[in-house]
Amino acid sequence: AQSVTQLGSHVSVSEGALVLLRCNYSSSVPPYLFWYVQYPNQGLQLLLKYTTGATLVKGINGFEAEFKKSETSFHLTKPSAHMSDAAEYFCAVSLGSGYALNFGKGTSLLVTP
Amino acid sequence: AAGVIQSPRHLIKEKRETATLKCYPIPRHDTVYWYQQGPGQDPQFLISFYEKMQSDKGSIPDRFSAQQFSDYHSELNMSSLELGDSALYFCASSFPRGTEAFFGQGTRLTVV
Repeated sequence: AQSVTQLGSHVSVSEGALVLLRCNYSSSVPPYLFWYVQYPNQGLQLLLKYTTGATLVKGINGFEAEFKKSETSFHLTKPSAHMSDAAEYFCAVSLGSGYALNFGKGTSLLVTP
Repeated sequence: AAGVIQSPRHLIKEKRETATLKCYPIPRHDTVYWYQQGPGQDPQFLISFYEKMQSDKGSIPDRFSAQQFSDYHSELNMSSLELGDSALYFCASSFPRGTEAFFGQGTRLTVV
């Protein structure tokens, strides 16, 4: 079975500050890992993904994440938060191509002026 | 670029009624997934189809059924609706051997 745990259901940062959203995974096989963002009443948009290869992956809107097998982590970071980053962020894991995603409970990011 | 299209965007039904949600995947995508997201919850996988055959099944209630048609669009049929079925229903699609799923905007179902 695969699962992800997102630490912190709510994270608040100041505009311009570092964003760090935590995700730890559990998987019996090498996982595929994803971060999705969801704005209110919208669908899920892929920020970035890790499948194989380079462990530091860069995504859209200045986000990046690092796959750390030793720590079973895939934390999402952004050097400088913008007001437009305020949204719900979901970490997800899958077995591979064609397999469904198992989502974490989500982290709501609040960006304050 | 074309995206995943879901219809309707909003649907209000009464308890014990039936609802049908439709999903039109991105052209040339052969895999379709359905997810249910309750209020304040994470999306839960319901069912998926690959090349018009059911490929995986998640936490889909027996009252729900789904299929993928020859043109690759998919429909989720929900019967004997309950208040607890009120949720956002997402469809996603992926291309052959693709590693990521592209999500539609969702259908918000409200059962009253």
